[in-house]
Amino acid sequence: SQQGEEDPQALSIQEGENATMNCSYKTSINNLQWYRQNSGRGLVHLILIRSNEREKHSGRLRVTLDTSKKSSSLLITASRAADTASYFCATGINFNKFYFGSGTKLNVKP
Amino acid sequence: EPEVTQTPSHQVTQMGQEVILRCVPISNHLYFYWYRQILGQKVEFLVSFYNNEISEKSEIFDDQFSVERPDGSNFTLKIRSTKLEDSAMYFCASSSDLEPQHFGDGTRLSIL
Repeated sequence: SQQGEEDPQALSIQEGENATMNCSYKTSINNLQWYRQNSGRGLVHLILIRSNEREKHSGRLRVTLDTSKKSSSLLITASRAADTASYFCATGINFNKFYFGSGTKLNVKP
Repeated sequence: EPEVTQTPSHQVTQMGQEVILRCVPISNHLYFYWYRQILGQKVEFLVSFYNNEISEKSEIFDDQFSVERPDGSNFTLKIRSTKLEDSAMYFCASSSDLEPQHFGDGTRLSIL
């Protein structure tokens, strides 16, 4: 299976700290995306990184991709209580089919 | 910002009945997707749709399921002869070419 798997499964930090989540996958991919899901809501796209890219930034988010290790990381800097959510990686060998991992539940304590 | 909208937000159906979940993708998007998320589990890909036909489907998407784009704006998922295990959140998503997917807020399907 190509599915990405995130770790840790759960992460609890204080507001202001950085949060790092990792995603590992098994087969070659074309792209990897990170999503956020608040409880009971849909998925919100955060960052898309393609297989020929190594790092991308968006505001307080930084995503890296290491295709040799088949892994990606999502770093949220200076976390806020509003960042509390589940974070998922989704891998695709094209843009027709994506595999989601089980997610990391992030809890940012005020 | 344009959104993907899904209706209804919650659907309760008797086992064995047919259900149709509706989605209005973002208007200039060309790729459409359905996913499901059983409570407490991961998001699972069901099907992708492009140019009026299915591009990819998962093992979950068997003969019980079908998708349709009946007009220029709606994208529907039909589930025939629903089973208890079909209870889940169903998410619709759309994207333009080689770009990220935008998700709706989902339809919670409860099979009794």
